[in-house]
Amino acid sequence: DQQVKQNSPSLSVQEGRISILNCDYTNSMFDYFLWYKKYPAEGPTFLISISSIKDKNEDGRFTVFLNKSAKHLSLHIVPSQPGDSAVYFCAASAWTGANNLFFGTGTRLTVIP
Amino acid sequence: DADVTQTPRNRITKTGKRIMLECSQTKGHDRMYWYRQDPGLGLQLIYYSFDVKDINKGEISDGYSVSRQAQAKFSLSLESAIPNQTALYFCATGGGGGGQFFGPGTRLTVL
Repeated sequence: DQQVKQNSPSLSVQEGRISILNCDYTNSMFDYFLWYKKYPAEGPTFLISISSIKDKNEDGRFTVFLNKSAKHLSLHIVPSQPGDSAVYFCAASAWTGANNLFFGTGTRLTVIP
Repeated sequence: DADVTQTPRNRITKTGKRIMLECSQTKGHDRMYWYRQDPGLGLQLIYYSFDVKDINKGEISDGYSVSRQAQAKFSLSLESAIPNQTALYFCATGGGGGGQFFGPGTRLTVL
């Protein structure tokens, strides 16, 4: 049973515009959320995270928003650049000791020059 | 030099063969993980280890075993490979703060 869901397998955006990637989760015990970016033939690389005590975290062009009541988070990239083209994975964990990550299925972002 | 390395990067093997995938890290992290990724799916946790004496099963451990030879080394074995174990395998390390750092992956094909 997929506890973290990314319902959009792909997204295309024009360079300079905003990219919005969405993620939903079902497990109410999750309290730490991460976004990873993956290029072909490479492992995922950490992008940005947010804990459940916040509803927004910003790092340069990347902002993550968390809506706990809706069990939904989103990643905003502004402005989008061609180098942002990659697969983005949402992940979640619960601070119950194991801290194991549960991943979504990924969204392939294509930024069109 | 890469913080998390995996060998081999690509491997083709036959059904029934035993195969080992190796992972080494220089980040000094206690926690190490093995994940599997199938096409169109997210990463699924196979096994994880919090230290040399602590090994735990993940979501999909059947058909796999692991060995934590040292803090820096964590290997994954398929005792008798089967075609549905064809996948991309990732090793990761974590310092306990929530984030994990991934190796470049091993593409395994079982014929």
